[in-house]
Formats: sequence, C-alpha cells, structure tokens
Amino acid sequence: DVKVTQSSRYLVKRTGEKVFLECVQDMDHENMFWYRQDPGLGLRLIYFSYDVKMKEKGDIPEGYSVSREKKERFSLILESASTNQTSMYLCASTPGGIETSGGDGTDTQYFGPGTRLTVL
Amino acid sequence: AQTVTQSQPEMSVQEAETVTLSCTYDTSENNYYLFWYKQPPSRQMILVIRQEAYKQQNATENRFSVNFQKAAKSFSLKISDSQLGDTAMYFCAFMQYNNNDMRFGAGTRLTVKP
Repeated sequence: DVKVTQSSRYLVKRTGEKVFLECVQDMDHENMFWYRQDPGLGLRLIYFSYDVKMKEKGDIPEGYSVSREKKERFSLILESASTNQTSMYLCASTPGGIETSGGDGTDTQYFGPGTRLTVL
Repeated sequence: AQTVTQSQPEMSVQEAETVTLSCTYDTSENNYYLFWYKQPPSRQMILVIRQEAYKQQNATENRFSVNFQKAAKSFSLKISDSQLGDTAMYFCAFMQYNNNDMRFGAGTRLTVKP
C-alpha cells in the first residue's frame, strides 16, 4: 500500500514564526502536492512538484514556499505564519510523471493524514 | 478555469438505505477525469471511485456507483446499502487529461444514522 505520512497531526504556532510541514511518501511517486482544506472551500492547491527541485505554484501560493530536495520528501514552509493560515494541510502524491497522467490510474492522488495547524 | 460544485453541504441517510450525492463541474475540455474521494472523521482521504470522461459506461465499485452525464456536466455518487462506516466528508474532484492540477468541490458531509 502507498503510504504518505506527515510530520505532525496537530501543530500550534505563534504569529510570525517560521513553520515547516513535512510530507514523505514511500512509493517513489513523481508528483507531490500541498493543499489546504477549509470548511466550505474544499481543497485548494498551494504548490505542487513533479520532480526533485521542481515546483509549481497552485491557486494560493502567497505566504508559502516549498522544498523538494529528495524525491520522497516535500516540505511546505510558512515563512512568517499568520492567523489566516490556520487550516488543515494535506499532502498528496501521484505515481505518474507530468506527461503521463492518463487512463492507467497514475492520476489517483494518495493523501497523507493531514496536519491541523493553528496560528495564534 | 475548471470549477467543481457540490450543492449539498450536509446530508444524512438511514443505515441500509441509498443516498445520492450531487456534483457538477464546468469545463471546456473534452478529455478529463472525475473522482469521488472520502474523508472519514480524523482519517486519511481515500479514493472511492474514478471515471474517465471518454467512457460512457458509469463506474462502479461495490456499493458505490456514479451517474456520469457528460453533456450536463454532472457526476453524482450513489451509495447503496449505506453503512455506518460510510459516514465521512465526500469530495468530488476534476482533473484535466495530462494535467496534474486537480480541482475539488467544497465537500458534502454525509452522516449515516443507525
């Protein structure tokens, strides 16, 4: 089974702190994603990466950055946490490369358990 | 840009009954994929069912089936013989072919009552 893990289930930080959220997948997946989940808004894409050291902005990248130094690990960084970044953060991965999403199921996203971040 | 709409924020159903969750989407593309994901309380989100737009036959997975109406851009999920373990948030999602950008609806919270 694919396993996607996130470093913390719950995290409480103060305004202005630098926050690191870690995500690790163990299935050699090419693509990794960071979403935030808010009530009534569903999941919104923050950043994604289709290869080591590659990153692409999603819909709401402001206030966030990412790092992918190794294929299995994708980190989300809040440079200076603010209260409006209080949310549930979900990491996901997919097997296929960016050119190969298609009918073979490589598009199915596998999710981590989520990190509920509270910024005070 | 593609959008996904789930018009039912909350639903409930009696155990063993059937329930249908609605989803509509907006796209000008012809090749795409549609998904239903389930997020149980305090547990990981998992894929329930997926549908390729080029397939006319509706996807089924055991008690879960979809009614895919391409012309109407509708993708509803039917859960038959509802079980207590089906209680969860359900998200409808859209992904364009050859594009890893997945779009999610706002979710429907389903409660199965004993």
